[in-house]
Order: sequence, then C-alpha cells, then structure tokens
Amino acid sequence: DAGITQSPRHKVTETGTPVTLRCHQTENHRYMYWYRQDPGHGLRLIHYSYGVKDTDKGEVSDGYSVSRSKTEDFLLTLESATSSQTSVYFCAISDPTPRHVYNEQFFGPGTRLTVL
Amino acid sequence: RKEVEQDPGPFNVPEGATVAFNCTYSNSASQSFFWYRQDCRKEPKLLMSVYSSGNEDGRFTAQLNRASQYISLLIRDSKLSDSATYLCVVNSNFGNEKLTFGTGTRLTIIP
Repeated sequence: DAGITQSPRHKVTETGTPVTLRCHQTENHRYMYWYRQDPGHGLRLIHYSYGVKDTDKGEVSDGYSVSRSKTEDFLLTLESATSSQTSVYFCAISDPTPRHVYNEQFFGPGTRLTVL
Repeated sequence: RKEVEQDPGPFNVPEGATVAFNCTYSNSASQSFFWYRQDCRKEPKLLMSVYSSGNEDGRFTAQLNRASQYISLLIRDSKLSDSATYLCVVNSNFGNEKLTFGTGTRLTIIP
C-alpha cells in the first residue's frame, strides 16, 4: 500500500470553528489532492497541489483552503466550518512520470468530519 | 449530463456468476480510464487501468470503446470478497492530473 496517512481520522466540530486536516505521504509523489465524498455525488475534487507551494482549485473549493510547504504534507483548512461540510475527506497522491503514465491516484484512509 | 455515469445498482449476484458493469463518459478527449474498488467505509483502491486494447487481470477484464464512449468491467467466477462499490474513473485532460469519478456501482455477491 502507498504510504499515505491522514489525521485526524474522525472529528466532530461545531459550526463556525476552524478545522485543519492533514495528509502525509512517504512516497515523494509530486501531486496531492483533497476530495470529499458524499452520497449521490461520488468523489469531488476540492483542491490539488502539483508541487511545494503550487496549488489549484477543484470543482468544490468554496469554503476550503490548502497549503503545501513540504512535499510530504498537504493541509486542508475549513476556515469556518458549516454543516454542509460534513463529509468524508480523502487525500490522494499521484506521480505523473514515465513510470506512471496512466496517472493513477492512490488514496489515504479518509477523515470523517461531522459539523454540528 | 454528468461527465461520468454509472448504474448505481445494487447488483445482487450469486457466487460464481459473471457480472458486467458499464460506464459512459461525456468528454471524447478523455485519455485515461480506470476502475477503482471501494469497500464500505474504506478508501478507493485502484483495481485496474483500462487500456485501449482492453486488458485482463485474473478474473477481471476491462474494455474501452472510444467510439461509443464507454468502458466496461467484467468479473468472472465472482467471489464473496468481490462485494464492494466499483468506481469508474476518467482523466479528461491530457497532461492534467485531475480525475473525474463516477458515483459507483454497488455489487453484492450472494452465497
């Protein structure tokens, strides 16, 4: 299995509080991603990073920010959590090199976030 | 129209049977295709990439039909352990590392 960890694995918080989720990889992969998964929607991309300090928005980026100060860490922040951000959050990594021309992504174990 | 569409199921199939899923995609410029498997309350895991010529991995066969814009997954001699949700995944922009996921097809193998 790819070396990807997420922390925390479970979190319950209240509306209006800031929340930061961490993704850590030991694979030295260049690309990292944050997704959310909700019933009926599948996995939706929030933000992704294509290198240290290089990030871009996905399809559901409103209300989220990210930072990547090191290759191995990608942080997702909910500045002021809302109930609509209750979801399962997955981090993923990929390494688009000639070794992985089909740009497969490998996922972390997920974080279950509940916003009350 | 969704970029990637799958029949959500559920498919309830007896052990040992053959089951097939299809998935359609809307962007004719899509370059890479995958099937992922997701067990309940777990992360998605890559099952197989789908190559233009089709490919097989043990009991699993994946096919790509670019003309009709669909990919398929065939599971032969199904096992109880095949029970999962199968996600169809497409990369629609060459050189862009973003993937688009279908909502998944739920499969239950019945003893």
